Amino acid sequence: NAGVTQTPKFRVLKTGQSMTLLCAQDMNHEYMYWYRQDPGMGLRLIHYSVGEGTTAKGEVPDGYNVSRLKKQNFLLGLESAAPSQTSVYFCASSPSGGGTGELFFGEGSRLTVL
Amino acid sequence: TQLLEQSPQFLSIQEGENLTVYCNSSSVFSSLQWYRQEPGEGPVLLVTVVTGGEVKKLKRLTFQFGDARKDSSLHITAAQPGDTGLYLCAETYYNQGGKLIFGQGTELSVKP
Repeated sequence: NAGVTQTPKFRVLKTGQSMTLLCAQDMNHEYMYWYRQDPGMGLRLIHYSVGEGTTAKGEVPDGYNVSRLKKQNFLLGLESAAPSQTSVYFCASSPSGGGTGELFFGEGSRLTVL
Repeated sequence: TQLLEQSPQFLSIQEGENLTVYCNSSSVFSSLQWYRQEPGEGPVLLVTVVTGGEVKKLKRLTFQFGDARKDSSLHITAAQPGDTGLYLCAETYYNQGGKLIFGQGTELSVKP
């Protein structure tokens, strides 16, 4: 019962360093999402994908890049980390997008940028 | 840009009390979902509402979709400590490939 798996779970970076968060889903879902969660801000959409090889910008895409080379994986990259990117990052997948389609979330990845 | 406004942002009540959480939009919803998130975990879907005026019940939780489809509410009857968590409403943008946007959430604490 893996569902949506995020790695790593925790990471501390220094300003200017780069890193990649990996999201893997084993439910054969078409849609995948990356959100960030900050206190009092709910979940804000960074980027999303409606299928293998596609990506689209969400509400707060600046400073992040994504790739969906394989249907089951959605990678979120930070090229030059900034303290403002300190947050908890959640990946989600869905068989049919939002609306009547349920999003299934991972457990989150906590990133601290010093 | 459509905005989802949730109120209240924080709610602290005693076990057994009733409460209502609201979700409002500047525009008409296509459909609306409610999620619940516990500390250290990802959100989990509670319900999806699609039709204006729709009412759905999930045990002690009652979800309403406004007739004009610009607002929704979540009512919890006789709250229990296990109801503690972050409640989030979310709207789908069908014309943007199923993009799902969340409100800022209502943090509920139910004290025994």
